Formats: sequence, C-alpha cells, structure tokens
Amino acid sequence: EPEVTQTPSHQVTQMGQEVILRCVPISNHLYFYWYRQILGQKVEFLVSFYNNEISEKSEIFDDQFSVERPDGSNFTLKIRSTKLEDSAMYFCASTRNRGGGSNQPQHFGDGTRLSIL
Amino acid sequence: DAKTTQPNSMESNEEEPVHLPCNHSTISGTDYIHWYRQLPSQGPEYVIHGLTSNVNNRMASLAIAEDRKSSTLILHRATLRDAAVYYCILKKGSSNTGKLIFGQGTTLQVKP
Repeated sequence: EPEVTQTPSHQVTQMGQEVILRCVPISNHLYFYWYRQILGQKVEFLVSFYNNEISEKSEIFDDQFSVERPDGSNFTLKIRSTKLEDSAMYFCASTRNRGGGSNQPQHFGDGTRLSIL
Repeated sequence: DAKTTQPNSMESNEEEPVHLPCNHSTISGTDYIHWYRQLPSQGPEYVIHGLTSNVNNRMASLAIAEDRKSSTLILHRATLRDAAVYYCILKKGSSNTGKLIFGQGTTLQVKP
C-alpha cells in the first residue's frame, strides 16, 4: 500500500537556524497537509496546500513558516529561524481527491522529530 | 468547529471486543464522523468514518446513534497492536481544505 514518507526521521538544529522538513506524499494525491505534535500534547493542524497554494493555515503557521511543492513529488515545510518552542513531531499528510472532502481519509507519514537546541 | 468528548483512557483484554465511545452533541447535519488512531511513535492512521449509517471495514465498525449526537468505534477482537490513542473527529461537509482538528483522544490499553 502506498505510503507518505518523511525525511529525516530526526532533525537536531541550533536555535535561529533554518530547517527544511521533507515529505513525499502518495503519488496521485492532490491535497497536502502539515501537522505538529509537541511532546505530550495534541496533534495540531498547521497548513493545507492545494494547487500550489495554501488553502488554509492555523495561527501557529506564522511568517517563520513556509511550504513548497518544488517538484511533482516533494512537499516541504521550512522554518526560517527556529525557536526552542518549535521542538515537536511534524507530520505530513495527503488526501486523494480535490477539495479534501469530508469523506476522504488523510494518509499520514510517521513524522520528523525536530529538536531545537 | 463542533467538539467531541471521549474518555481519557480505556482498558481491554486481548481478543475481546472494545467499544470506544464519543459524544458530539453539537454535530451539524453535514459533519462526518471520522476516527483515527495513533500508535506509539507513529503518525495518525485513518480507521473509519461515517455520516448517518453504521459502517464496517476491515479494521473496525462504527455505530452512529440515530440522533447522531454520539458514536461508538468497535474493535471486534482487540490485539496488542491495537493499543493506541483513538481520536474521534468531526469534519465539516462544507470544508474545502479537509483539515483535521484533533482532541486528546482515548488511550486504549490492551492487556494480554
């Protein structure tokens, strides 16, 4: 069964540095998402992306964050100047059909653990 | 967004059925009921979803109350691998982005 893959599995970065988290969504999927989960807390929505545009973003997704689909397969999350509070698991997800749709399951990767020192 | 309420934790014995409840008294007519689970050190995993009728798939069954204000996820025979956090999530029918709003979920422990 096709999977969403994320790299790296663990990223350690100095505070203030830029970091790029990478995701390869399932190949025929059109809607892409990033979520984060701070240790011991809920999974939180960050951003959704469709047709090379952000569809929706949360309050967490401020100017330090950006997303890109640089080619036909990768979907990236960039944090421009990392802060200690950015330490979390970051999950990428994708959905098959246009419009997300309330009856479309999201397929998640196993996440990248980001540790900011 | 309509809220869901789930017990913080539940226990089950291996090979016995598990009924995980979810209350969603403010559900609107176009909200779908989705269930996801998160195994330790993994990303969330889709389990099942429904609108009004009960649903079955290879992983579980979803029983939806007639007034849709509650639902129950049923694992017919729990295995150790089913130990996870289970999330009941409402998704708006009109949503064009499909974002998921996770709560705290129910942590299911399965005892051998």
